[in-house]
Amino acid sequence: AQTVTQSQPEMSVQEAETVTLSCTYDTSESDYYLFWYKQPPSRQMILVIRQEAYKQQNATENRFSVNFQKAAKSFSLKISDSQLGDAAMYFCAYRSALLRRWGHDGNNRLAFGKGNQVVVIP
Amino acid sequence: GAVVSQHPSWVICKSGTSVKIECRSLDFQATTMFWYRQFPKQSLMLMATSNEGSKATYEQGVEKDKFLINHASLTLSTLTVTSAHPEDSSFYICSAPDLGGNGYTFGSGTRLTVV
Repeated sequence: AQTVTQSQPEMSVQEAETVTLSCTYDTSESDYYLFWYKQPPSRQMILVIRQEAYKQQNATENRFSVNFQKAAKSFSLKISDSQLGDAAMYFCAYRSALLRRWGHDGNNRLAFGKGNQVVVIP
Repeated sequence: GAVVSQHPSWVICKSGTSVKIECRSLDFQATTMFWYRQFPKQSLMLMATSNEGSKATYEQGVEKDKFLINHASLTLSTLTVTSAHPEDSSFYICSAPDLGGNGYTFGSGTRLTVV
Protein backbone atom coordinates (compact mmCIF):
# COMPACT_ATOMS: atom_id res chain seq x y z
CA ALA A 1 0.00 0.00 0.00
CA GLN A 2 1.14 3.49 -0.73
CA THR A 3 2.17 5.68 2.18
CA VAL A 4 2.14 9.45 2.30
CA THR A 5 4.29 11.31 4.81
CA GLN A 6 3.85 14.86 6.03
CA SER A 7 6.42 15.54 8.69
CA GLN A 8 5.58 19.00 10.03
CA PRO A 9 2.40 18.86 12.11
CA GLU A 10 2.06 22.63 12.45
CA MET A 11 3.50 25.56 10.59
CA SER A 12 3.07 29.27 11.14
CA VAL A 13 3.34 31.95 8.51
CA GLN A 14 3.03 35.71 8.62
CA GLU A 15 0.26 37.15 6.54
CA ALA A 16 1.48 37.98 3.00
CA GLU A 17 4.50 35.70 3.41
CA THR A 18 5.17 32.32 1.82
CA VAL A 19 4.99 28.91 3.41
CA THR A 20 5.98 25.53 1.99
CA LEU A 21 4.50 22.24 3.12
CA SER A 22 6.44 19.08 2.45
CA CYS A 23 5.07 15.73 1.38
CA THR A 24 6.78 12.53 0.39
CA TYR A 25 5.22 9.30 -0.75
CA ASP A 26 6.18 5.75 -1.34
CA THR A 27 5.07 3.88 -4.45
CA SER A 28 6.29 1.46 -7.06
CA GLU A 29 3.83 2.72 -9.65
CA SER A 30 4.62 5.09 -12.47
CA ASP A 31 1.11 6.37 -13.15
CA TYR A 32 -0.69 8.15 -10.34
CA TYR A 33 -2.19 11.40 -9.12
CA LEU A 34 -1.18 13.61 -6.23
CA PHE A 35 -3.40 16.06 -4.44
CA TRP A 36 -3.35 18.72 -1.80
CA TYR A 37 -6.60 19.16 0.10
CA LYS A 38 -7.45 21.95 2.50
CA GLN A 39 -9.69 21.39 5.50
CA PRO A 40 -10.70 24.66 7.19
CA PRO A 41 -12.43 24.80 10.58
CA SER A 42 -15.72 23.99 8.83
CA ARG A 43 -14.09 20.60 8.08
CA GLN A 44 -15.22 20.67 4.46
CA MET A 45 -12.52 19.08 2.33
CA ILE A 46 -11.51 21.42 -0.48
CA LEU A 47 -9.25 20.48 -3.38
CA VAL A 48 -6.34 22.90 -3.59
CA ILE A 49 -4.30 21.45 -6.40
CA ARG A 50 -3.82 18.26 -8.37
CA GLN A 51 -0.80 16.86 -10.18
CA GLU A 52 -0.69 14.04 -12.68
CA ALA A 53 2.50 12.02 -12.40
CA TYR A 54 3.12 11.81 -16.11
CA LYS A 55 3.14 15.59 -16.41
CA GLN A 56 6.52 17.08 -15.68
CA GLN A 57 5.22 20.62 -15.40
CA ASN A 58 4.39 21.63 -11.87
CA ALA A 59 0.73 22.46 -11.28
CA THR A 60 -0.27 25.94 -10.16
CA GLU A 61 -3.53 27.42 -8.97
CA ASN A 62 -3.32 31.15 -8.29
CA ARG A 63 -1.28 31.51 -5.08
CA PHE A 64 -0.78 27.78 -4.74
CA SER A 65 1.93 25.88 -6.54
CA VAL A 66 3.65 22.57 -6.18
CA ASN A 67 7.17 21.29 -6.59
CA PHE A 68 6.77 17.79 -7.94
CA GLN A 69 9.95 15.73 -7.93
CA LYS A 70 8.97 12.31 -9.25
CA ALA A 71 12.33 10.65 -8.82
CA ALA A 72 12.54 11.83 -5.22
CA LYS A 73 8.84 11.04 -4.65
CA SER A 74 8.33 14.50 -3.27
CA PHE A 75 5.32 16.78 -3.68
CA SER A 76 5.57 20.02 -1.75
CA LEU A 77 2.96 22.79 -1.69
CA LYS A 78 3.88 26.45 -1.68
CA ILE A 79 1.37 29.02 -0.52
CA SER A 80 2.37 32.50 -1.63
CA ASP A 81 1.05 35.78 -0.24
CA SER A 82 -0.59 33.92 2.65
CA GLN A 83 -4.03 35.13 3.69
CA LEU A 84 -5.97 34.62 6.89
CA GLY A 85 -8.36 32.36 4.99
CA ASP A 86 -5.51 29.99 4.24
CA ALA A 87 -5.45 28.88 7.88
CA ALA A 88 -6.46 25.22 7.80
CA MET A 89 -5.30 21.64 7.87
CA TYR A 90 -3.65 20.64 4.62
CA PHE A 91 -3.55 17.03 3.54
CA CYS A 92 -1.36 15.54 0.87
CA ALA A 93 -2.93 12.57 -0.90
CA TYR A 94 -1.95 9.92 -3.41
CA ARG A 95 -4.13 8.03 -5.82
CA SER A 96 -3.10 5.25 -8.15
CA ALA A 97 -4.11 5.48 -11.78
CA LEU A 98 -3.59 1.77 -12.29
CA LEU A 99 -7.22 0.73 -12.45
CA ARG A 100 -7.99 3.33 -15.07
CA ARG A 101 -6.67 0.99 -17.71
CA TRP A 102 -9.35 -1.51 -16.83
CA GLY A 103 -12.20 0.94 -16.55
CA HIS A 104 -12.53 0.68 -12.78
CA ASP A 105 -11.03 3.99 -11.96
CA GLY A 106 -13.76 4.87 -9.52
CA ASN A 107 -12.47 2.32 -7.04
CA ASN A 108 -9.11 3.99 -6.65
CA ARG A 109 -8.87 5.16 -3.08
CA LEU A 110 -6.97 8.13 -1.75
CA ALA A 111 -4.04 7.60 0.60
CA PHE A 112 -3.76 10.60 2.91
CA GLY A 113 -0.87 11.99 4.86
CA LYS A 114 -1.35 12.99 8.49
CA GLY A 115 -1.79 16.63 7.63
CA ASN A 116 -0.16 19.99 8.31
CA GLN A 117 -1.88 22.62 10.41
CA VAL A 118 -1.19 26.02 8.89
CA VAL A 119 -1.53 29.02 11.18
CA VAL A 120 -1.56 32.46 9.58
CA ILE A 121 -0.38 35.29 11.82
CA PRO A 122 -1.94 38.69 11.08
CA GLY B 1 -19.05 21.29 -10.29
CA ALA B 2 -19.91 17.99 -8.72
CA VAL B 3 -21.64 18.21 -5.34
CA VAL B 4 -22.10 15.56 -2.69
CA SER B 5 -24.74 16.46 -0.15
CA GLN B 6 -24.28 14.85 3.25
CA HIS B 7 -26.93 14.79 6.00
CA PRO B 8 -27.24 15.31 8.84
CA SER B 9 -24.38 17.70 9.51
CA TRP B 10 -24.50 16.85 13.18
CA VAL B 11 -26.43 14.40 15.33
CA ILE B 12 -26.60 13.48 18.98
CA CYS B 13 -27.97 10.08 19.89
CA LYS B 14 -28.28 7.88 22.92
CA SER B 15 -26.16 4.80 23.45
CA GLY B 16 -27.72 1.73 21.90
CA THR B 17 -29.61 3.54 19.18
CA SER B 18 -28.84 3.59 15.46
CA VAL B 19 -28.01 6.58 13.32
CA LYS B 20 -28.18 6.85 9.54
CA ILE B 21 -26.00 9.20 7.54
CA GLU B 22 -26.87 9.92 3.92
CA CYS B 23 -24.72 11.06 1.05
CA ARG B 24 -26.31 12.10 -2.20
CA SER B 25 -24.60 13.02 -5.42
CA LEU B 26 -26.65 15.95 -6.66
CA ASP B 27 -25.63 16.41 -10.24
CA PHE B 28 -23.80 13.25 -11.17
CA GLN B 29 -23.99 9.53 -10.74
CA ALA B 30 -21.73 8.18 -8.03
CA THR B 31 -21.24 4.50 -8.63
CA THR B 32 -18.63 4.49 -5.88
CA MET B 33 -18.66 6.16 -2.47
CA PHE B 34 -15.88 6.21 0.09
CA TRP B 35 -16.68 6.52 3.78
CA TYR B 36 -14.16 8.03 6.18
CA ARG B 37 -13.89 8.60 9.86
CA GLN B 38 -11.87 11.47 11.28
CA PHE B 39 -10.83 12.17 14.87
CA PRO B 40 -9.91 15.72 15.94
CA LYS B 41 -6.63 16.95 14.49
CA GLN B 42 -6.08 13.66 12.70
CA SER B 43 -6.23 12.50 9.12
CA LEU B 44 -9.10 10.79 7.36
CA MET B 45 -9.30 7.07 7.94
CA LEU B 46 -11.00 5.07 5.20
CA MET B 47 -13.68 2.82 6.65
CA ALA B 48 -15.24 1.29 3.57
CA THR B 49 -15.90 1.61 -0.13
CA SER B 50 -19.39 1.15 -1.45
CA ASN B 51 -20.36 0.37 -5.01
CA GLU B 52 -23.86 0.72 -6.35
CA GLY B 53 -25.67 -2.56 -6.44
CA SER B 54 -23.05 -4.62 -4.63
CA LYS B 55 -21.72 -5.20 -1.14
CA ALA B 56 -19.41 -2.68 0.40
CA THR B 57 -15.75 -3.43 0.91
CA TYR B 58 -14.63 -2.76 4.47
CA GLU B 59 -11.16 -1.87 5.62
CA GLN B 60 -9.40 -4.11 8.06
CA GLY B 61 -10.56 -3.56 11.61
CA VAL B 62 -13.89 -1.97 10.68
CA GLU B 63 -16.88 -3.86 12.02
CA LYS B 64 -19.26 -4.62 9.18
CA ASP B 65 -22.19 -5.26 11.49
CA LYS B 66 -21.73 -1.97 13.31
CA PHE B 67 -21.22 0.22 10.27
CA LEU B 68 -23.79 -0.81 7.71
CA ILE B 69 -23.29 0.69 4.29
CA ASN B 70 -25.90 0.66 1.57
CA HIS B 71 -25.50 1.97 -1.94
CA ALA B 72 -28.88 1.22 -3.45
CA SER B 73 -28.90 3.80 -6.21
CA LEU B 74 -26.51 5.77 -8.36
CA THR B 75 -27.09 8.89 -6.31
CA LEU B 76 -27.43 7.69 -2.73
CA SER B 77 -25.15 5.93 -0.30
CA THR B 78 -25.91 5.54 3.39
CA LEU B 79 -23.90 4.68 6.48
CA THR B 80 -25.80 3.38 9.49
CA VAL B 81 -24.06 3.24 12.82
CA THR B 82 -25.88 0.51 14.70
CA SER B 83 -26.11 0.19 18.48
CA ALA B 84 -23.99 3.29 18.83
CA HIS B 85 -21.64 3.73 21.78
CA PRO B 86 -19.73 6.79 22.96
CA GLU B 87 -16.55 5.50 21.30
CA ASP B 88 -18.34 5.79 17.95
CA SER B 89 -18.49 9.55 18.42
CA SER B 90 -16.51 11.02 15.58
CA PHE B 91 -16.66 12.98 12.34
CA TYR B 92 -17.78 10.94 9.34
CA ILE B 93 -17.18 12.06 5.75
CA CYS B 94 -18.23 10.58 2.43
CA SER B 95 -16.53 11.10 -0.90
CA ALA B 96 -17.22 10.17 -4.49
CA PRO B 97 -15.01 10.22 -7.59
CA ASP B 98 -15.71 13.41 -9.48
CA LEU B 99 -17.04 13.69 -12.99
CA GLY B 100 -13.61 13.67 -14.55
CA GLY B 101 -12.64 10.56 -12.64
CA ASN B 102 -9.36 12.06 -11.58
CA GLY B 103 -10.35 13.58 -8.26
CA TYR B 104 -12.91 13.35 -5.53
CA THR B 105 -15.83 15.37 -4.22
CA PHE B 106 -16.38 15.31 -0.49
CA GLY B 107 -19.53 15.67 1.54
CA SER B 108 -19.57 18.29 4.26
CA GLY B 109 -19.29 15.69 7.00
CA THR B 110 -21.40 14.53 9.93
CA ARG B 111 -20.43 15.09 13.53
CA LEU B 112 -21.81 12.21 15.57
CA THR B 113 -21.99 12.43 19.33
CA VAL B 114 -23.19 9.42 21.28
CA VAL B 115 -24.26 10.09 24.86
